[in-house]
Amino acid sequence: ETGVTQTPRHLVMGMTNKKSLKCEQHLGHNAMYWYKQSAKKPLELMFVYNFKEQTENNSVPSRFSPECPNSSHLFLHLHTLQPEDSALYLCASSTGTSGFDEQYFGPGTRLTVT
Amino acid sequence: LAKTTQPISMDSYEGQEVNITCSHNNIATNDYITWYQQFPSQGPRFIIQGYKTKVTNEVASLFIPADRKSSTLSLPRVSLSDTAVYYCLLRDDKIIFGKGTRLHILP
Repeated sequence: ETGVTQTPRHLVMGMTNKKSLKCEQHLGHNAMYWYKQSAKKPLELMFVYNFKEQTENNSVPSRFSPECPNSSHLFLHLHTLQPEDSALYLCASSTGTSGFDEQYFGPGTRLTVT
Repeated sequence: LAKTTQPISMDSYEGQEVNITCSHNNIATNDYITWYQQFPSQGPRFIIQGYKTKVTNEVASLFIPADRKSSTLSLPRVSLSDTAVYYCLLRDDKIIFGKGTRLHILP
C-alpha cells in the first residue's frame, strides 16, 4: 500500500462511452499526477496538478479531461476514446513538484477501449 | 525524449550483486538522479535518489561520479522478487521516464 488508491482497477469501455477514473491520496501531498503506460512504451506524463491548479498538460488530447477538486482527489474524465487509448493509467502524488520530491504511485487502472 | 540511457535488459542470479548503469551526459546543475522500480501491472516505486557521490538506504546504493554524467544503481544479494523494470530519471522541470532496464533474476 502506497497511500494512493485508484478506482476502478479495470475498465472496459466502448468508443462512445463516457467514464471517469478516480484517484485518492491519503498522504497529505499537494501535487498529483496522471500517467499513461502503453504496452512496450515508456511511462508518459499526462497532467500535473499542484495545490489543485493544473501546472502541466503534455499535449494530451481533449478526450481526456482531468479534474482536481482538492489536493487529495484527482479524476480523469474519458469520452469518445480510441482503441489506441487502451493502457494502464497511473496516478501519483508527491509533496511538491520540485526535483527531489518522491512520487508515490497508485496501482493503476487497466483501461481497454473496444 | 528521455534524458537518460540504460541497458534494455539484464539477467542475474539469486544472491548476486547487480549493478545497473544509467548515462545522462546532459545532466543539468539542478537535476537529481532518481531510480524507481516497477513490477508488472503495478505503479513504479521509489528506490533511491541522489545528487552526487554515494547514497545508501536499506534497499540499494547509488553511486554518482564527480562529473555526474552517469550513475549506478547497486542491488546487493538480489532475490527472485527483485525481477522488475528499473527506471533512472532526472528531474528538473519535467518528469521523463525512459524505457527502463528489465532485470530478470534467475534461480
